[in-house]
Amino acid sequence: EADIYQTPRYLVIGTGKKITLECSQTMGHDKMYWYQQDPGMELHLIHYSYGVNSTEKGDLSSESTVSRIRTEHFPLTLESARPSHTSQYLCASSPTGGINTEAFFGQGTRLTVV
Amino acid sequence: GENVEQHPSTLSVQEGDSAVIKCTYSDSASNYFPWYKQELGKRPQLIIDIRSNVGEKKDQRIAVTLNKTAKHFSLHITETQPEDSAVYFCAAEGNSGYALNFGKGTSLLVTP
Repeated sequence: EADIYQTPRYLVIGTGKKITLECSQTMGHDKMYWYQQDPGMELHLIHYSYGVNSTEKGDLSSESTVSRIRTEHFPLTLESARPSHTSQYLCASSPTGGINTEAFFGQGTRLTVV
Repeated sequence: GENVEQHPSTLSVQEGDSAVIKCTYSDSASNYFPWYKQELGKRPQLIIDIRSNVGEKKDQRIAVTLNKTAKHFSLHITETQPEDSAVYFCAAEGNSGYALNFGKGTSLLVTP
């Protein structure tokens, strides 16, 4: 079934650790996004990509990096986790052009940094 | 980049009443304006969207209006039901059509 998958769903790690949040989509979408969201709160754009080998920074990008080597895969890396990174991270993807450009979201990764 | 403002942040209505949520955007080049509904503990899901060449779009109890000159768009929910209770986000597709920027969200509560 075509969908967008995020792993892990939940993660608890210690301060200073390096972590990678995985996001994969099987819908053939060109655009992919990472958002940070505290429960029921604003969606902050962290990074986005409009295709393979393209990445752009959003508002909260300074403490993380992304890569887009394959169309379906858009991992997010925190080089040194801090308690302020505790949040939910949502990955999304959407097609480029055409009539339907709906963005689909993954289930999210809930990160806790202790 | 694109700046999307959304009001109100919270909205409480009685079942059967109408609810209106308003958004403004800053980038005059934006041409795609979706609305997402996020229920507690779930991922955001698209409920309706509108493009800049259309002034209004309806889907059953939900409608969206767009005023490109004033750079604002609104979500209208009629005959509200308790299951409409959720957080609603507006969004605008920003510079070069690549980034989807969201408003801060409106927490809608429909009381029986």
